[in-house]
Amino acid sequence: DTEVTQTPKHLVMGMTNKKSLKCEQHMGHRAMYWYKQKAKKPPELMFVYSYEKLSINESVPSRFSPECPNSSLLNLHLHALQPEDSALYLCASSRQTGTYEQYFGPGTRLTVT
Amino acid sequence: AQSVTQLGSHVSVSEGALVLLRCNYSSSVPPYLFWYVQYPNQGLQLLLKYTTGATLVKGINGFEAEFKKSETSFHLTKPSAHMSDAAEYFCAVSGASGGSYIPTFGRGTSLIVHP
Repeated sequence: DTEVTQTPKHLVMGMTNKKSLKCEQHMGHRAMYWYKQKAKKPPELMFVYSYEKLSINESVPSRFSPECPNSSLLNLHLHALQPEDSALYLCASSRQTGTYEQYFGPGTRLTVT
Repeated sequence: AQSVTQLGSHVSVSEGALVLLRCNYSSSVPPYLFWYVQYPNQGLQLLLKYTTGATLVKGINGFEAEFKKSETSFHLTKPSAHMSDAAEYFCAVSGASGGSYIPTFGRGTSLIVHP
């Protein structure tokens, strides 16, 4: 199984809402990532988890809060987002951090109204 | 530090024609190089990767790429384009940066295939 799943597929939320994005993989990968992707742009790295510990935070605003409950799950908690946060949010995993290829989920299309 | 330059934000070819997508990299350490494809409203999918060894790398869907250290290039090719190849293609490099290996993506090249 080389699949990374993400839920929900689409999410519309107001600026005062709290919502969460979920990502799951069962490949035994120990590195998991959150990316933000705007239309016609490359993915922008947000967070990296290695062995369930946050190893990289690319200066992401605190309204985005990641969580890694176990080695298979990755959440992104959203609160008080801005319209400019509307984007495709991609989750990825790899065997470990380093030079390994990444496996991406299909993404969550987020719209902030 | 590492970086990736993809020449051409759009490449247009006719069905059956050669596909050539260009990627040049900069890395202070031996690079690991990747090509990913993204179809509309989907995540990225690995096409192929270069780590060490053979410089000509074959990937899925008939794509291949050649690592040329002297030219710092990793161009993606396919002998005959199909309509289904229309997508966004990203070149990426992974190498040590401040003690961490973070992949760096190019800006992407949109492949357009005409009937």
